Amino acid sequence: DQQVKQNSPSLSVQEGRISILNCDYTNSMFDYFLWYKKYPAEGPTFLISISSIKDKNEDGRFTVFLNKSAKHLSLHIVPSQPGDSAVYFCAATSQGGSEKLVFGKGTKLTVNP
Amino acid sequence: ETGVTQTPRHLVMGMTNKKSLKCEQHLGHNAMYWYKQSAKKPLELMFVYSLEERVENNSVPSRFSPECPNSSHLFLHLHTLQPEDSALYLCASSQVRTSGYNEQFFGPGTRLTVL
Repeated sequence: DQQVKQNSPSLSVQEGRISILNCDYTNSMFDYFLWYKKYPAEGPTFLISISSIKDKNEDGRFTVFLNKSAKHLSLHIVPSQPGDSAVYFCAATSQGGSEKLVFGKGTKLTVNP
Repeated sequence: ETGVTQTPRHLVMGMTNKKSLKCEQHLGHNAMYWYKQSAKKPLELMFVYSLEERVENNSVPSRFSPECPNSSHLFLHLHTLQPEDSALYLCASSQVRTSGYNEQFFGPGTRLTVL
């Protein structure tokens, strides 16, 4: 049973517009969430994270929103750029020392010029 | 070298071969991880080493054998693999602390094909 779900395998947006990537989780013990970006032939790179004590975290063009009651988080990219085209993975973990991340399947974002 | 490096980047092996994947982290971290990424599946955590001790083994078949000789190096020894083991194998590292969270830093992966 998948504990972290990214239900959209792909998303296509125009350059300059907003990209919204969604992620749902089922485990209420998760209290820290991360987004990773992956280009072909490279490993995932950390993008942004959010703790469950917050509902929003912003870093430049990237903002992550967390809705704990809905067990839902989203990543907003504004404005989207062609270089943002990549696969985006949502991941979740819970405090406990194991540093175990549970990943979603990823969403492939394509930003068209 | 910087970050997390993995060798080889690509590996093709037969089912009777023995091979090893190597990972090295240059970040001074104290935890290292092996993940498997199969097509259309989430990244699956295989093994976790924290302070050079294995702390997690996610029911991985014994044909995969990890080794962590020190905090900077991690190996995955492969023996009598099956074609369904073909995947991207990713290594990661992080700095584990008693409180708080730390993101994991990934290597570029080894693309493994088992014939």
